[in-house]
Amino acid sequence: EVQLVESGGGLVQPGGSLRLSCTASGFTLSNYAMSWVRQAPGKGLEWVSAIVGSGTTTYYADSVKGRFTISRDNSKNTLYLQMNSLGAEDTAVYYCAQDSMALGSYWGQGTLVTVSS
Amino acid sequence: QSALTQPASVSGSPGQSITISCTGTNSDVGKYNLVTWYQQHPGKAPKLMIYEVTKRPSGISNRFSGSKSGDTASLTISGLQAEDEAHYHCCSYAGRSTWVFGGGTKLTVL
Repeated sequence: EVQLVESGGGLVQPGGSLRLSCTASGFTLSNYAMSWVRQAPGKGLEWVSAIVGSGTTTYYADSVKGRFTISRDNSKNTLYLQMNSLGAEDTAVYYCAQDSMALGSYWGQGTLVTVSS
Repeated sequence: QSALTQPASVSGSPGQSITISCTGTNSDVGKYNLVTWYQQHPGKAPKLMIYEVTKRPSGISNRFSGSKSGDTASLTISGLQAEDEAHYHCCSYAGRSTWVFGGGTKLTVL
């Protein structure tokens, strides 16, 4: 059974940084592209970033480009999202997703990031 | 990367059919057959329901179907059931390895 568990969310001040983790089980992480998708309170979903299975190529939404960095450690079955220069607009639940059939074939339960002073 | 357009809400009675539209442009929905639909119950993670416009993942009821015409994709749910009440989100590949979502549609089963 595919399982994805996010962690690392919390309250951070504007301009601060946070690193999210997503631990995968039930499948071989290196075989699949992975994504981060976020959802601001009461809003729709927003694709944030994606990374290929080997980790050699990454992609970002314009809204986070230059501030966020996606990475993975396949030996630890873990996906990461390093978030810098955070602003109020980054407040959201962040989901990691496995992209086997399509973007978001499987999702974690999400971790809440709140940017506030 | 402009968001796709979905109606804010739709409703239907048990047993009826409803359709949710998802309008993009000729740079996303109209250009690629890579439209996905997700179901999201309150406080839960999204769940993939339809991918590549018309395909259903294993375990998804055939009451759910997808289609596309021009720049607009659609999700049809037939034989509405109470458990179908949820938010539904569409998403399309937008080129250059980026993806764009719609704003989401709240389905109410009357």
